[in-house]
Parts: sequence; C-alpha cells; structure tokens
Amino acid sequence: NAGVMQNPRHLVRRRGQEARLRCSPMKGHSHVYWYRQLPEEGLKFMVYLQKENIIDESGMPKERFSAEFPKEGPSILRIQQVVRGDSAAYFCASSPRGTYNEQFFGPGTRLTVL
Amino acid sequence: SQQGEEDPQALSIQEGENATMNCSYKTSINNLQWYRQNSGRGLVHLILIRSNEREKHSGRLRVTLDTSKKSSSLLITASRAADTASYFCATATVTGANSKLTFGKGITLSVRP
Repeated sequence: NAGVMQNPRHLVRRRGQEARLRCSPMKGHSHVYWYRQLPEEGLKFMVYLQKENIIDESGMPKERFSAEFPKEGPSILRIQQVVRGDSAAYFCASSPRGTYNEQFFGPGTRLTVL
Repeated sequence: SQQGEEDPQALSIQEGENATMNCSYKTSINNLQWYRQNSGRGLVHLILIRSNEREKHSGRLRVTLDTSKKSSSLLITASRAADTASYFCATATVTGANSKLTFGKGITLSVRP
C-alpha cells in the first residue's frame, strides 16, 4: 500500500507565476489535509478536504490560494501569482477518518519563489 | 498563540540517555498526538493518547497526558543516534462540526553517538 504521494518534490517559480501542488492520498483514505511549514517552524494548517468538498479552509489565505479534491484524481493546492513569502514546504496528509485520528504525511513539496 | 507549545525548543543528549519532551496546550482536546520529522522529510506519526487516557507506551516511547494541567510529555528511553529528529505535538480539537489538528513548533532532538 503506497503512502501519501506528493509531486513535484521541488518546485521553483518566479514571482507572478502559478504553482500547482499535487497530492495523492493513501488508498482508502478520503480525508486530505494541506499544511505549510516555514523554516524552523511547525506546521500550519491550511485546508481540510473530503472528496469534492472543502470541509475547513480556515487556514487558507483569502487570496491567491485554492484547493480541490475532485472525485477522480489527486488533490490540488493552487497558488496564483506567487510571491517570495510563499516559499515554504507544503505537506499533504491523509486519513481514513476525520482529524481525530492519526494523519499520514507525504514527503512534501518544497516551493521556492525567485 | 500556539495551541500546542513544546518545551524545550532544543535538546542534546548522549546516546543511551533518556529524552523527555513536554507539550502544553490551552483548550480542551479530544486527543493529543506526537509526530517525528527527520530533516527534509514528512512527518511520521508516533503515538496518540486520548483525553481519557493518562499514559501510553509504544516500544521505547512513553507518553503521559495530564488534562488538568493541559500538558503532555514524551519520553524516549535508551536513545539512539537514529532518534535525532524534530518532534511535534499535535492537539485534536473539536469546533462545532469540524475537528482540527494543531501542531506546535517542535523540539529539535540531537542524540550524540
């Protein structure tokens, strides 16, 4: 059973470009979470999704950021018009049930904005 | 302010010694979880303790939870160089229909061979 997969592992964008980060949850997991980690800091919750639904997006910046988890295919975190401050590691996690339970993390996507 | 705050921020010990890491939180929780992160990697779940539990063991790990003090501790016994990593506590809370896992800033553990 493959773990949570994220791609790309490293992404370099210039200011103003779009970044698309993909996450395939573990097989059988219908709950997906996105987190952002800045250097030397913990994880900051961004968004919680189930298939085709956004359950909690209280951690998402109001502008430029969006997330989806379609019926088919991976979950996508999309950042439009990236700025240098978006440089961070973005982690996806999945779980078979809600957030009460342990979450399984992917290896992360390291976004660098030049 | 952080829901979960770990203490100390950094810990350096000799291989074979025990490592104790603490976590304090502010609001009522459903459970508390500890995760490990090796440099440049994703987080790995170590152990979960529910709000009605006081102590839990898993191999060389021992976790305690004191809900009256809103604190938890993670003890790693007989540490190994491979235990070198960052350790995070995460609290699971419920707000209305939603539940959320909130992470602290982490503790950097260095185990000297």
